[in-house]
Amino acid sequence: DTAVSQTPKYLVTQMGNDKSIKCEQNLGHDTMYWYKQDSKKFLKIMFSYNNKELIINETVPNRFSPKSPDKAHLNLHINSLELGDSAVYFCASSQDNGQPQHFGDGTRLSIL
Amino acid sequence: KQEVTQIPAALSVPEGENLVLNCSFTDSAIYNLQWFRQDPGKGLTSLLLIQSSQREQTSGRLNASLDKSSGRSTLYIAASQPGDSATYLCAVTGAGSYQLTFGKGTKLSVIP
Repeated sequence: DTAVSQTPKYLVTQMGNDKSIKCEQNLGHDTMYWYKQDSKKFLKIMFSYNNKELIINETVPNRFSPKSPDKAHLNLHINSLELGDSAVYFCASSQDNGQPQHFGDGTRLSIL
Repeated sequence: KQEVTQIPAALSVPEGENLVLNCSFTDSAIYNLQWFRQDPGKGLTSLLLIQSSQREQTSGRLNASLDKSSGRSTLYIAASQPGDSATYLCAVTGAGSYQLTFGKGTKLSVIP
């Protein structure tokens, strides 16, 4: 069974559209994260969500909004997509803050 | 602001060689340091995690060291194999924030 799963794996869409990426973890972890890996392969934290407390990275535009229906899911919704949003987005989870993180395989988002 | 630097950016070695990957960080107030492996088109796999109070961790042919006061870590890979070819990422967890800050990675190629 996949520990952290993301859907879709690939997402191609036009500028201005709204899209969502789903993430689910079956590890019973309390903390989930979203990361962005840009074209230069640099990974940056976007959000972390621990026990219903959302920690927002201030460099993330407010077009990005995480939504957590329950502890096992953390979805990422993006409004008004821009060319610069093209990247690979990774979801991760950990037992608690500071514990080893388990990553999904990523969602490659391409904006036309 | 924490910054993580990895040297070299790319490394190519013949099979069987021992090798060292380097990581440095600017803020010594860390909770732990992790080494990850990323294969093309895949997520990250955690290899080793060193708590801030520890000096090293070992797993099989991998040994990671941590010198927190000087802001340095090394990942030693013994008897390299073609299957070790991947990008290796170093990441530090900030004390208090518990957020991971990644380096840009070292792309390792082990030539058969």
